[in-house]
Amino acid sequence: GNSVTQMEGPVTLSEEAFLTINCTYTATGYPSLFWYVQYPGEGLQLLLKATKADDKGSNKGFEATYRKETTSFHLEKGSVQVSDSAVYFCALSDNYGQNFVFGPGTRLSVLP
Amino acid sequence: EPEVTQTPSHQVTQMGQEVILRCVPISNHLYFYWYRQILGQKVEFLVSFYNNEISEKSEIFDDQFSVERPDGSNFTLKIRSTKLEDSAMYFCASRLTETTYEQYFGPGTRLTVT
Repeated sequence: GNSVTQMEGPVTLSEEAFLTINCTYTATGYPSLFWYVQYPGEGLQLLLKATKADDKGSNKGFEATYRKETTSFHLEKGSVQVSDSAVYFCALSDNYGQNFVFGPGTRLSVLP
Repeated sequence: EPEVTQTPSHQVTQMGQEVILRCVPISNHLYFYWYRQILGQKVEFLVSFYNNEISEKSEIFDDQFSVERPDGSNFTLKIRSTKLEDSAMYFCASRLTETTYEQYFGPGTRLTVT
């Protein structure tokens, strides 16, 4: 079945540091890929998405590129802020857009 | 901006009791979902719902669970006889159409079974 693997956290960075959170997936067909963010005490918010190979999703300074050859969708940000502290979930949906499969989440803490 | 809403934000119930978790999806969305997240664990799919019927469900979604769209706006998850292991955050999500794959999540209902 489909699955998503993410780097285990927690990840602790200083403000303005470069962020990478690795995500790889296993899926049949042509899944769509997503990053969701969960701020403390809140629900899941869509951060960015990519629906086909080589697509780059971007939002709020975050980027991720859909790499079919390496089955990866790594999240990057050039300069993190304290307000980026949250749990980040990589997810995929199958090519029918049905149920999502989530990775385990990576907790990011950004220190001032 | 339209959003998915869920009530209550926190529900405490005793083992064996029935609970109903409520969701109001985004108004023009056609696909509806429930997920759960046990504390500290990953988000898990429970069930998807389209055109007034279940389209897919996971192994977690056993006979103790049911979903309903009783009117044009609400989407509910019922747990008939709660168990301690049902304690989790339950998220509702909705999706616009067949060709838009992103799902929009509500803030969740924290269910605590004692």
